[in-house]
Amino acid sequence: RKEVEQDPGPFNVPEGATVAFNCTYSNSASQSFFWYRQDCRKEPKLLMSVYSSGNEDGRFTAQLNRASQYISLLIRDSKLSDSATYLCVVNPRGGYQKVTFGTGTKLQVIP
Amino acid sequence: DAGVTQSPTHLIKTRGQQVTLRCSPKSGHDTVSWYQQALGQGPQFIFQYYEEEERQRGNFPDRFSGHQYPNYSSELNVNALLLGDSALYLCASSTPGQEYSGANVLTFGAGSRLTVL
Repeated sequence: RKEVEQDPGPFNVPEGATVAFNCTYSNSASQSFFWYRQDCRKEPKLLMSVYSSGNEDGRFTAQLNRASQYISLLIRDSKLSDSATYLCVVNPRGGYQKVTFGTGTKLQVIP
Repeated sequence: DAGVTQSPTHLIKTRGQQVTLRCSPKSGHDTVSWYQQALGQGPQFIFQYYEEEERQRGNFPDRFSGHQYPNYSSELNVNALLLGDSALYLCASSTPGQEYSGANVLTFGAGSRLTVL
């Protein structure tokens, strides 16, 4: 089983739609979780951290379920500019331990 | 405030050659991690440098080596290149201070795209 698994997609959704991505992780000792966004042929950029109580940043909501070992990202009112690959990132322990990326979920928002 | 800078941006090599990629971390960051991203895949951790020493290493052969300088800049060296080494090589910097907050936010450079023919 991969350390971090994501549905590669692509998810093709119309503008204004709500879309959700899930990511599962295998290491129950994982402590830090993030969503990164990567545009085509660009570097990954931090979208948001994921906190135990769940957190929201504008149209984006991240949730963590430690019991089931998955995190989710919800995007409301999708914009064309949201088209990108969304990478789930898990850190086994804080700081010095290597972070592990999922393969990414590709989102295409259609006019 | 300069972010993470990498060089070169693109390069083409042939099998068996050696390559050196360079990275300057974001101002205030002292930890540098290197990742390999093949087409359609997520970044794969190669290794991490802190205080001029390799602190963590992923599942990469010894052909992959690195170095960190006193000014925190870093190099990634790959010897005896294989076709499968063709990828985007990403450098990411961070600061250990972030560890204590429970986060390890990485700032990535734009990458060096290596093609091995």
